[in-house]
Amino acid sequence: AQTVTQSQPEMSVQEAETVTLSCTYDTSENNYYLFWYKQPPSRQMILVIRQEAYKQQNATENRFSVNFQKAAKSFSLKISDSQLGDTAMYFCAFMKHVNYGGSQGNLIFGKGTKLSVKP
Amino acid sequence: GAGVSQSPSNKVTEKGKDVELRCDPISGHTALYWYRQSLGQGLEFLIYFQGNSAPDKSGLPSDRFSAERTGGSVSTLTIQRTQQEDSAVYLCASSLAWGINSPLHFGNGTRLTVT
Repeated sequence: AQTVTQSQPEMSVQEAETVTLSCTYDTSENNYYLFWYKQPPSRQMILVIRQEAYKQQNATENRFSVNFQKAAKSFSLKISDSQLGDTAMYFCAFMKHVNYGGSQGNLIFGKGTKLSVKP
Repeated sequence: GAGVSQSPSNKVTEKGKDVELRCDPISGHTALYWYRQSLGQGLEFLIYFQGNSAPDKSGLPSDRFSAERTGGSVSTLTIQRTQQEDSAVYLCASSLAWGINSPLHFGNGTRLTVT
């Protein structure tokens, strides 16, 4: 079974600085996908960034980037130039590759990291 | 609609009562998912629909939980004889189709409190 571990329950960062959130996972699968989701107080889960395991290049979305280390099963999220609106819970999630008809939606989530951006 | 809509936003019920939670996915989205988020926990997968059928019910925690989807649109998650451990936020998500290139769009959830 797959597991996702986020070892930092809470973190804080000063506005405009950079912060890195950690995520490790355990799987015997070779083909899979990794995601970071953001959940602000509105409770809506918002996809921040995703990474295909077969790609060596780290994914980047504007101020958000990941450090994907497949051998180490590590998938950290770096937020550059932190903004007050980045304050939220951040969840790391894993999904194994399935053939058509399988459960695409069976994301395995970590327990989350609460990030506070301070002015 | 513009996004995934869930109702009610909050629900308080007495132990032993039945509750129904509703999810209205984005128009045209064929795939629909239910997750449960307990306090201090990540999201727990409950069930997945492709159209009106549910190929994966593996996450339903007990036979008190059931879900249906009609017309390939609205879905209802029903919890019978609620227990205090059922208290959680229930999140619904939908996607355009099956596949990694169809990202999940989440609703704002229903916070269920069982007293």
